[in-house]
Amino acid sequence: DTAVSQTPKYLVTQMGNDKSIKCEQNLGHDTMYWYKQDSKKFLKIMFSYNNKELIINETVPNRFSPKSPDKAHLNLHINSLELGDSAVYFCASSQIGDRGPSYEQYFGPGTRLTVT
Amino acid sequence: DQQVKQNSPSLSVQEGRISILNCDYTNSMFDYFLWYKKYPAEGPTFLISISSIKDKNEDGRFTVFLNKSAKHLSLHIVPSQPGDSAVYFCAAYVDYKLSFGAGTTVTVRA
Repeated sequence: DTAVSQTPKYLVTQMGNDKSIKCEQNLGHDTMYWYKQDSKKFLKIMFSYNNKELIINETVPNRFSPKSPDKAHLNLHINSLELGDSAVYFCASSQIGDRGPSYEQYFGPGTRLTVT
Repeated sequence: DQQVKQNSPSLSVQEGRISILNCDYTNSMFDYFLWYKKYPAEGPTFLISISSIKDKNEDGRFTVFLNKSAKHLSLHIVPSQPGDSAVYFCAAYVDYKLSFGAGTTVTVRA
């Protein structure tokens, strides 16, 4: 009964390919996030959606495009993959508003992307 | 530009003793500060938080201290247990965003 799930867990692909990572949460949260953990182990926010609306869009190449079909899902599409995109990508969710502390984010297990 | 820094990449402590993890930040606008714990191949899990208007928060074996004037916070784990061996991330929150430190790997020795 996973709260935040991501698929796939591992993804190995070649430069230039297009790939997607899926994320689903069953916590009833209204806000979802994508983070990237780079080789230096820093977790950095990439995007955030609140009720399917983009609220955070950090300085990320436009090859990265998030898509939120509904509140429970936030997918990440990456076009023309580059070697530097190799990292672990984490999805997270939280509740903004009266129902809970928005700063408390729940993370998925991560997707390790390797670009060769 | 890292706004949250954890200067100790690793910490080794004997079981039963105190673990002290430190974190420094630069942005005085942060509303909340959090500690996350991460095991290998898993996502970070929320451990404890503190509001910027408090100076201490305690939850069982975990206590977080905040010194706003020094822009410094610490996490105390007492007593340390083998299951506490993990990577601990300090994070700070403002405007719906969490900024993370690089993490401190804690190893609890039997």
